[in-house]
Amino acid sequence: DAKTTQPPSMDCAEGRAANLPCNHSTISGNEYVYWYRQIHSQGPQYIIHGLKNNETNEMASLIITEDRKSSTLILPHATLRDTAVYYCIVRVDGTGGFKTIFGAGTRLFVKA
Amino acid sequence: KAGVTQTPRYLIKTRGQQVTLSCSPISGHRSVSWYQQTPGQGLQFLFEYFSETQRNKGNFPGRFSGRQFSNSRSEMNVSTLELGDSALYLCASSFYGVDTEAFFGQGTRLTVV
Repeated sequence: DAKTTQPPSMDCAEGRAANLPCNHSTISGNEYVYWYRQIHSQGPQYIIHGLKNNETNEMASLIITEDRKSSTLILPHATLRDTAVYYCIVRVDGTGGFKTIFGAGTRLFVKA
Repeated sequence: KAGVTQTPRYLIKTRGQQVTLSCSPISGHRSVSWYQQTPGQGLQFLFEYFSETQRNKGNFPGRFSGRQFSNSRSEMNVSTLELGDSALYLCASSFYGVDTEAFFGQGTRLTVV
């Protein structure tokens, strides 16, 4: 039931920018795009989220296309500690609340 | 401030037993969601509670249930355990609404033997 699709894995050289794409072609107008990452055996960690404007914080930047059907998470200077599974998810409005639907994620390998 | 706390961290149960897992959200957060993570199925949404009411539910059998207390702490119960219930169970808390980030606990690793 995932509403997002991501490549299963990607490699990135340490110090370079990591660009992780996500397709969410069926997103509705009031649904937010969120990115989380999960390092082995830990709970997912929030990275960033957005509705339609590009967003930037101390961890990453989120670029959302104008039609909102896809987005890209950018880690500007990847380090070895950024090796993790990255999830692009859509927060879906439920009946008075919301639920978060995770896809399979992208396993990012940062190599020295 | 303290993060999301899940107890216990590890649990071993026998088929047919029941289990209760606990989640204490970040202070001030009123929404608690539960997820099951297995190698084969990934992260799957179980249910979400807000102000002691279940607002959303995923596609899990009735053996999986939960509740939330007035202090926002939540418990998840699984009855008649099956081997396939072995998983990492994660809870996440958020302040309110679809536009606020959720913070996850470290999870409870349940093994059913």
